This record gives sequence, C-alpha cells and structure tokens, in this order.
Amino acid sequence: NAGVTQTPKFQVLKTGQSMTLQCAQDMNHNSMYWYRQDPGMGLRLIYYSASEGTTDKGEVPNGYNVSRLNKREFSLRLESAAPSQTSVYFCASYQEDRAAFFGQGTRLTVV
Amino acid sequence: RKEVEQDPGPFNVPEGATVAFNCTYSNSASQSFFWYRQDCRKEPKLLMSVYSSGNEDGRFTAQLNRASQYISLLIRDSKLSDSATYLCAVKGSNDYKLSFGAGTTVTVRA
Repeated sequence: NAGVTQTPKFQVLKTGQSMTLQCAQDMNHNSMYWYRQDPGMGLRLIYYSASEGTTDKGEVPNGYNVSRLNKREFSLRLESAAPSQTSVYFCASYQEDRAAFFGQGTRLTVV
Repeated sequence: RKEVEQDPGPFNVPEGATVAFNCTYSNSASQSFFWYRQDCRKEPKLLMSVYSSGNEDGRFTAQLNRASQYISLLIRDSKLSDSATYLCAVKGSNDYKLSFGAGTTVTVRA
C-alpha cells in the first residue's frame, strides 16, 4: 500500500509565485491534515479536513488555502509565496482508533 | 499557552539506560493520545497509541494522567537505534484537530 503520497518532494519558488502541494491517501481515512515543520518548532497545523466536504483552520493558516477534492485528496495552495513559508510540509490522514499516517514531506524553499 | 508542550531535551543516555519524558496538554476534553517517532528529516511514524490504563509495546511504556493532563513515554534498555525525536500528539473530543508537541530529542550513546 502506498499510504499517504505527497507531491512534489522538493520545490523552489520565487517570492510571489503560487503553487499547489498535492496529497492523496489510499487508506480510506476520513480526516486529513496539513502541517509545516520548522527547526525547533515541531509540527504546526495549517488546515485540516475532518471529512470530505469540510475544512477548518489550524494554528497557522495565514497565507494558505486548502481543498478537499474528494475523500482521497487534500491539496494545499500557496497563492503568493513568501520566504517565511520556507519549510517542510507534511500531509497526514487519520482514522479513529488507527492514529495518523504521514506522507514523506515536501521541502519547499521560497527565495 | 500551547496546546501541547514537551521538554525539548536533549536527553543523552548510555546504551541500556532507561529514559522517560512527559508531554502536557491544555485541553482537558482531549480524547486520543499518541507517541510518534521522527528521524532526521523524515516523516513522523506512529510509535504507539496511549490508552487510559497505560500500555506497553516491548521496551516502550506509555502512560496517561488525565488529572494532571500529561502523557509520558518510558524507554527501557535503550538502544542506539532509539536515537530520534519523539513527538506527542493529542486529538480533541469534539473535533478532529490533531495537535503535536515540538518533540523531545533522545540520543543514545555507546
């Protein structure tokens, strides 16, 4: 099983450019999450989707938008990238009593 | 106050030692608790869920203290391969928000 798949794995953007990070899971989980991880900051929740058709803001949503396209896919969009958004982004999916499983991460650099 | 807080460490321990650390959470209504392991620049991986009565998985023991709002992880007979960052995760009861601590770094030395 692939589990949680994120694309791309690496990306360099110029300030002001936009991009979408893709995430797909094949575990039939209801809930999906986007986190960013910066050195010493742990995982900070950007947005989450409890179930298909719903999305909610997390701890650090500013500068991001999300789309829960269907049960499998949850994308994260940066409309106008800023250097402060340089980070490692992780997508996760979660099912009650099964915990959360993560994708391999996207390493984003904004210059 | 952060929703989930951990002692960042690092905990430097010799092989064979026991190491333990805690994670505190602020929402008393939190329902689900987990420990994850993260190796450098890799994705977090589930180590174990934490149950109300406490639970063991080999050399790892997790405890939940609802009264004081913390969970703990104890590693017995530490191995070099246990060197990693350990993240705790907490999920609320009324929503599906899953929050993580900043992690506790453990280094096991030969």
